[in-house]
Amino acid sequence: DTAVSQTPKYLVTQMGNDKSIKCEQNLGHDTMYWYKQDSKKFLKIMFSYNNKELIINETVPNRFSPKSPDKAHLNLHINSLELGDSAVYFCASSQVFTGGYGYTFGSGTRLTVV
Amino acid sequence: KNEVEQSPQNLTAQEGEFITINCSYSVGISALHWLQQHPGGGIVSLFMLSSGKKKHGRLIATINIQEKHSSLHITASHPRDSAVYICAVKNGGSQGNLIFGKGTKLSVKP
Repeated sequence: DTAVSQTPKYLVTQMGNDKSIKCEQNLGHDTMYWYKQDSKKFLKIMFSYNNKELIINETVPNRFSPKSPDKAHLNLHINSLELGDSAVYFCASSQVFTGGYGYTFGSGTRLTVV
Repeated sequence: KNEVEQSPQNLTAQEGEFITINCSYSVGISALHWLQQHPGGGIVSLFMLSSGKKKHGRLIATINIQEKHSSLHITASHPRDSAVYICAVKNGGSQGNLIFGKGTKLSVKP
């Protein structure tokens, strides 16, 4: 059973399009995250979310928006895609509020904007 | 300057060698993580530390809170250990966000 699953694994799209990446976790974790890994393999937080609070990294353009229909899902919507959005996007989850902070990552979505 | 610095950036070792990867950080933290990213891209959490030392198989992680430093050791290295090892810290902010180092690319030759 996959603990944190992301779809799609690969996404190729044209500039200007709107796309979504889905993420689901079956671990019962209370917090989910989106991370971006750039071409230099550097990971950076984009969003973190639990059922109480959404924290947005201020450097993330507002074309990116997280949507959480329930605590097991955190989807990433991207509007008006740009070439610079090409990267690998990782979803992750952790159990923060009852301790642990252990993370589980999804397998990543490689987004290519052409 | 990055809040989390790793060294070395790249490391090549012969099979069987003892390997050490270092991580220094400049922020107050509540936990430090060591992650492994294989060439296929998936990220696996190896350790979460807030003090002392942890061991899992051939992997050992240590942390010195006063010195703001952590090390990841691999004993009897094997080619399958080849991966990027990433240090990440959870600072005093909310919701467990991680700040990542830039990773150490390890290549173990047979």
